[in-house]
Amino acid sequence: DIVMTQSPDSLAVSLGERATINCKSSQSVLYSSNNKNSLAWYQQKPGQPPKLLISWASTRESGVPDRFSGSGSGTDFTLTISSLQAEDVALYYCQLFYTTPPEWTFGQGTKVEIK
Amino acid sequence: QITLKESGPTLVKPTQTLTLTCTFSGFSLSTSGVAVGWIRQPPGKALEWLALIYWNDDKRYSPSLKSRLTITKDTSKNQVVLTMTNVDPVDTATYYCADAAKHAFDIWGQGTMVTVS
Repeated sequence: DIVMTQSPDSLAVSLGERATINCKSSQSVLYSSNNKNSLAWYQQKPGQPPKLLISWASTRESGVPDRFSGSGSGTDFTLTISSLQAEDVALYYCQLFYTTPPEWTFGQGTKVEIK
Repeated sequence: QITLKESGPTLVKPTQTLTLTCTFSGFSLSTSGVAVGWIRQPPGKALEWLALIYWNDDKRYSPSLKSRLTITKDTSKNQVVLTMTNVDPVDTATYYCADAAKHAFDIWGQGTMVTVS
């Protein structure tokens, strides 16, 4: 069975400081058709649907501030908020796509707060 | 501009069948590469992918729920329908539909809260 782990469950960071969230998969999510990693990051604020921030592990979506960045490859991935702003307080989820069998899996979420 | 909106009952009794409709605009499910997925989120809990349907009618289901789910599309109405049989209180959640591309969910509906009781 595929095992996916997102960590930490929560973190408190001072304004302007760096926040780092990790996502680990027991199997590679490298998509052979384009040699990219099928890993996405979402931000969810209370009462709102999730918002896609990053796809293909490191491609920032249009309109997403450049303080958000994604990195990693294969089985280990990271979302970094380089300088935390008040509006970044939210839940963050990673989501992996496995090709065999085709399956989309979300992490358990990370709550980001201001210290 | 792509928009999606979920609709369906807010309250369902245990053992009944839940039918949810996703009505979308700004894209066509007859266009190659397009897909629509369903995701749910129990109160205070994480997101869970349920099902996805591609433009070519290829369908994918969460392994843990596959026996209870059916996803269909009506291209002429720009709708995707998800049916879940034999619901239980643990199925209480906000159900979202989303435009799926790049193996991720780009644009989400606002969600519809379903209570099983």
